[in-house]
Formats: sequence, C-alpha cells, structure tokens
Amino acid sequence: NAGVTQTPKFQVLKTGQSMTLQCAQDMNHEYMSWYRQDPGMGLRLIHYSVGAGITDQGEVPNGYNVSRSTTEDFPLRLLSAAPSQTSVYFCASSYPGRASLQYFGPGTRLLVL
Amino acid sequence: AQSVTQLDSHVSVSEGTPVLLRCNYSSSYSPSLFWYVQHPNKGLQLLLKYTSAATLVKGINGFEAEFKKSETSFHLTKPSAHMSDAAEYFCVVSDRGDGGFKTIFGAGTRLFVKA
Repeated sequence: NAGVTQTPKFQVLKTGQSMTLQCAQDMNHEYMSWYRQDPGMGLRLIHYSVGAGITDQGEVPNGYNVSRSTTEDFPLRLLSAAPSQTSVYFCASSYPGRASLQYFGPGTRLLVL
Repeated sequence: AQSVTQLDSHVSVSEGTPVLLRCNYSSSYSPSLFWYVQHPNKGLQLLLKYTSAATLVKGINGFEAEFKKSETSFHLTKPSAHMSDAAEYFCVVSDRGDGGFKTIFGAGTRLFVKA
C-alpha cells in the first residue's frame, strides 16, 4: 500500500493564480480531510468528506474548494491564491468513527507570493 | 463543542530527564484522544491513542499518557528524554460533532532536548 500520497511536494504561486493539490489513498478509507498547518496554530481543518459525493466545511474553508468523485481521491482547489494561504497542507484519511486512526500524507508546502 | 488546549507552546528538557507535555480537552461526549509527533520537515506520526479502554495508554518510543476524566486532561510523559525526541507534539481530540465526527488538533508543543 502506498498509503496517503500528496502532490506536489512544493509549489510557488503568484497571488491570484489557481491550482489543485492532489491527494489519493489506497486503503479504501471513507473519511478524508484536508488540514493546513501554520506555526503556533496546530492543524486546522479546511474541508472533509465522509464518502464519495459528500463533502463539508471545516474550520477554515474560505478560499478553498473540494470534491470527492471517487473513494480514492480528494483534491483541494485554491480558486485565487492569496499570501495568507502560504502554509503546509496535509491530507488525511481514516475509517469513519471517533476512534479511527488518521493516516497523513507527507504534506505540500505552498508559498504564495 | 470539542476543543484542545496544549498548555505549553514549548518545553525544554535535558537528555535523560523526564518529559511532561500537558493537554486539556473539552468534549460533550466521550472523546477519543491522540498524541501525534512531527519531526522537522516530516509528516505526522501517531504516538498513542485513548479510546475508552485503559486510562493509562502506552505508545511508541517509551511515551505514555494518562486519561483523567475528572481533570479533562491527557498529559504525555516519558521517563527519560532522548535527543531524538526533539520534535513538535500535537494533542488531538476526536468526537461526535454536527453531521458526524470531527477531529480537532491542539496548537502543538515543541520539545527541545539539551545534551
């Protein structure tokens, strides 16, 4: 199993550009989520999905879109990048339920100039 | 609503001395609690988790945590710090929320280990 994979590892954008961060998992997990990590703030939930075709907002959804057309993939779209979106982005997946262990991808480091 | 408070933004210990990283939580139901570790420029790794079984939970690399419901705490400890323990540690609560379950991360505690 590859686990949770994320691409790209690094990205530099100019303000106003759009891009998609890719996330895929091969563990047949129903639950997938996107977090951003900023110094001193821990990981904050952006969007999550409890299954194909179902997504919902987390704590900090503004400026981001998601879709879940398959169980395996959960892309995160930045519609018009802003410097405030400079961060490290982690995708995670798990089985549903409060006791489930989340598996994290290696992260995408994004710099918006 | 759930919340997690890590009481120290950073902790500094000498190698071979005990480690204590403090975490308090609030939850409306019976939460699951986790500790994750993140080494510099690396992803997150699970240290241990509590899911309403034994209140003292043993994890990897000699870490353990005790769930104390009366104090709403889930502090992480290790008897003897090693240089390789230097990292950032996240306390996490997972519980029922509106429309399903939610996972909330604490702000993190950076552990420094001095030789």
